[in-house]
Amino acid sequence: DVKVTQSSRYLVKRTGEKVFLECVQDMDHENMFWYRQDPGLGLRLIYFSYDVKMKEKGDIPEGYSVSREKKERFSLILESASTNQTSMYLCASRPRQGASYGYTFGSGTRLTVV
Amino acid sequence: GQNIDQPTEMTATEGAIVQINCTYQTSGFNGLFWYQQHAGEAPTFLSYNVLDGLEEKGRFSSFLSRSKGYSYLLLKELQMKDSASYLCAVRAFSNDYKLSFGAGTTVTVRA
Repeated sequence: DVKVTQSSRYLVKRTGEKVFLECVQDMDHENMFWYRQDPGLGLRLIYFSYDVKMKEKGDIPEGYSVSREKKERFSLILESASTNQTSMYLCASRPRQGASYGYTFGSGTRLTVV
Repeated sequence: GQNIDQPTEMTATEGAIVQINCTYQTSGFNGLFWYQQHAGEAPTFLSYNVLDGLEEKGRFSSFLSRSKGYSYLLLKELQMKDSASYLCAVRAFSNDYKLSFGAGTTVTVRA
């Protein structure tokens, strides 16, 4: 019954490391999103993708990049991890059609950069 | 851009009613969503409003007034399991795909 899967629940990385966060959905959704969630700030959009090979910057893309080589997989990359990227990262997907469709979220990856 | 405001915390008693308000200022409007998020878990979809009025789903109802930029989520007959964070999210007409979220309201239900 699991629909959006994030590869790691908890992750600890060192400053300067390149970090990959993986997200896979099995619902054949076109749109996929990466958010980070911080106390008092809510969910902020990092990047999103309309479809395979497509990507758009969200509100806070600095320090991040993404990859969407296959429809079901959307990867978030931290090029050189920094302590201010310690956060909860949430992946979400939705179908292209249907205005009333909200997101289906993954369970999140709590990343700590030390 | 979008500006979405909701209270930080609310506390209520089991069996009572709680109303969580959300006000928004957006460059366009194409729908408002409410999500529930238990601690350490993924947000889950509760409701969607795009026209003015009240949408009822069992113990949960959501209201929208587009002219006032205002919505509320009403939780009735509160249960302990309703203790969670409730997120208000708006989709702007100019971009159908993205949702902008408020910071969330943490509801604590006491016995």
